[in-house]
Amino acid sequence: GAVVSQHPSRVICKSGTSVKIECRSLDFQATTMFWYRQFPKQSLMLMATSNEGSKATYEQGVEKDKFLINHASLTLSTLTVTSAHPEDSSFYICSAPGQYYEQYFGPGTRLTVT
Amino acid sequence: AQSVTQLDSQVPVFEEAPVELRCNYSSSVSVYLFWYVQYPNQGLQLLLKYLSGSTLVKGINGFEAEFNKSQTSFHLRKPSVHISDTAEYFCAVSDSGGYQKVTFGTGTKLQVIP
Repeated sequence: GAVVSQHPSRVICKSGTSVKIECRSLDFQATTMFWYRQFPKQSLMLMATSNEGSKATYEQGVEKDKFLINHASLTLSTLTVTSAHPEDSSFYICSAPGQYYEQYFGPGTRLTVT
Repeated sequence: AQSVTQLDSQVPVFEEAPVELRCNYSSSVSVYLFWYVQYPNQGLQLLLKYLSGSTLVKGINGFEAEFNKSQTSFHLRKPSVHISDTAEYFCAVSDSGGYQKVTFGTGTKLQVIP
């Protein structure tokens, strides 16, 4: 099946710094990718839809200036958390749609802001 | 807009016993339905999906689900669970229009007891 990777798997950063998370589709092309945030013991919250070659579409309540998304190629989307604060600590997951309406998920990135 | 309700946040069950995880959805349009499984600190994996056709869908690891349009349900079942089935299970829905934006339920933690 299709594989989606994320890097890094874990990152710890200091408050006020920025962190970049990469999401790659390894064996297929993805014109669209999705970014989710998952709080402990909760469901996935869709943050934004990443579109190759155009601006991302953000969900209501998600700060676009804080969570910068770039989808520069058909296999790579990046999420940059700018000026991170402890409340941004979370599990971030990306996904890419498959050929038959399923989603292929990356393994997730655990962000801890100290 | 769609919504997904998973009525049980946790389901404890003894090993080799049957299990049913409940999922109800609401939508004003035709939908596709999915079950995903998440093991600790990992991304989500597709268990099974319903797009059209037979309402009984079989997935990986011995799981199956039945789509009931009149009751707007898509309950997940397994006749005999194993310790390795301990995980978080998410029901999800997307509209059949092709955009593939997915709405997730809040998840059900399946705890298999030896």
